[in-house]
Amino acid sequence: ETGVTQTPRHLVMGMTNKKSLKCEQHLGHNAMYWYKQSAKKPLELMFVYSLEERVENNSVPSRFSPECPNSSHLFLHLHTLQPEDSALYLCASSQELRGQGLYEQYFGPGTRLTVT
Amino acid sequence: LAKTTQPISMDSYEGQEVNITCSHNNIATNDYITWYQQFPSQGPRFIIQGYKTKVTNEVASLFIPADRKSSTLSLPRVSLSDTAVYYCLVVNNTDKLIFGTGTRLQVFP
Repeated sequence: ETGVTQTPRHLVMGMTNKKSLKCEQHLGHNAMYWYKQSAKKPLELMFVYSLEERVENNSVPSRFSPECPNSSHLFLHLHTLQPEDSALYLCASSQELRGQGLYEQYFGPGTRLTVT
Repeated sequence: LAKTTQPISMDSYEGQEVNITCSHNNIATNDYITWYQQFPSQGPRFIIQGYKTKVTNEVASLFIPADRKSSTLSLPRVSLSDTAVYYCLVVNNTDKLIFGTGTRLQVFP
């Protein structure tokens, strides 16, 4: 148990569906992240929120839409996904101290997404 | 961006010490060296972070030479439960959060 929870743990959706992934951190951190991990590929950083402001968007397709309503919650809204979007989606949080190194990130268990 | 290079895989036996070396030739002055462990279908877990010389915690040791162009993660007396993928990252800001392919460690009984 890392203090970061993700729901749902598994999701199967069709290409025309709209769904949302939820992440919640109970650690009092000020930064949250979305990662994508496809089979046999490295983790890819998708979005970063620091103090509820999006500070990083790594050229992610617009069919992925993040939302960070407060420092404890992070959502990833999904619509019209493609089969190649099937992957493990991981949320993480950290206490970011700018210019003082990147402190450890705490990852959630992930959501296994299958797009049919 | 400081790229890291590590062996794709390593094998060991229970009770042995395992050393995984990571190369990061163009590490910047403000970069820290960080290692994560990941089990299948789980998120990565932070192991250790260091800037120079040696860092030790209850799980591992991290050795960093003076030029900081490489680092070695040392796992003492591994067990079967240490079978996982180990990632070396060189980080300072969020734009350097690049997880490579990692080193797949297999521990045999």
